Amino acid sequence: RKEVEQDPGPFNVPEGATVAFNCTYSNSASQSFFWYRQDCRKEPKLLMSVYSSGNEDGRFTAQLNRASQYISLLIRDSKLSDSATYLCVVNGEPYSSASKIIFGSGTRLSIRP
Amino acid sequence: DAGVTQSPTHLIKTRGQQVTLRCSPKSGHDTVSWYQQALGQGPQFIFQYYEEEERQRGNFPDRFSGHQFPNYSSELNVNALLLGDSALYLCASSWGASGSFYEQYFGPGTRLTVT
Repeated sequence: RKEVEQDPGPFNVPEGATVAFNCTYSNSASQSFFWYRQDCRKEPKLLMSVYSSGNEDGRFTAQLNRASQYISLLIRDSKLSDSATYLCVVNGEPYSSASKIIFGSGTRLSIRP
Repeated sequence: DAGVTQSPTHLIKTRGQQVTLRCSPKSGHDTVSWYQQALGQGPQFIFQYYEEEERQRGNFPDRFSGHQFPNYSSELNVNALLLGDSALYLCASSWGASGSFYEQYFGPGTRLTVT
C-alpha cells in the first residue's frame, strides 16, 4: 500500500459544479497535511494547509479525518481556472521531519465550460 | 521580491554522465529542499540543506549529492546518470530548520532528460 494515495482522475466536471477529492495516508503518526496545486508543466504551489478542525478559504474547504486517515478537498462553484492537478502532501513526523514529507501522485481536475 | 530560481531550465545528458543543477532560494529563505518528479507522479523528496549541511534525506542513492553555499543557494549533483533519472527536478525554499516545511516555495524546476 502506498503511504499516500490519491485517485488520479481525471475528474471532468462542468463549470459551477462542486467537486471533492480524497487522499488517504497510511502512517497514523502523520502530523501535518497540505494540498498543493500544480498546473501543467509548472511547479507545485501551496493551496492550503489542513487542520484537524477543518479550514476554508473562499471556495475551497479542506477536512482531516484522523480516525479514517484521510484528508479531503472540496471545491465549490468551480471555475475554468481550477483545472490543475491537486497534490496531497503528508508530513509523517512531528515538527516536520523532512524525510517523511510524502506527496501523493495527484488528482487531475478538468473544468469544462 | 525574487522567487525561487533554478538553472538550467532543460538539460539533456547521456547515461553515465554527471549533472549539476542549481537553485537560488526566495529572498529571506535559508533552507533548500530538492525533489524529483517523474511524469505523472508527485514530487519525491531527495534531501534538504540548512546551514550548509544536509539535514534530511529521502530514499535516494549516494549518486545524488548536494551542496549549500553561504549565500543559501544550492546545487544538486547526480553522478553516473541512469535513464530512470529523467525527471523534473524541483527546488523548494523555506525559512528555518527542518520545521520549515510549512511554507515551502517551489522553483520552476529543471527538466532533465537522460538518453
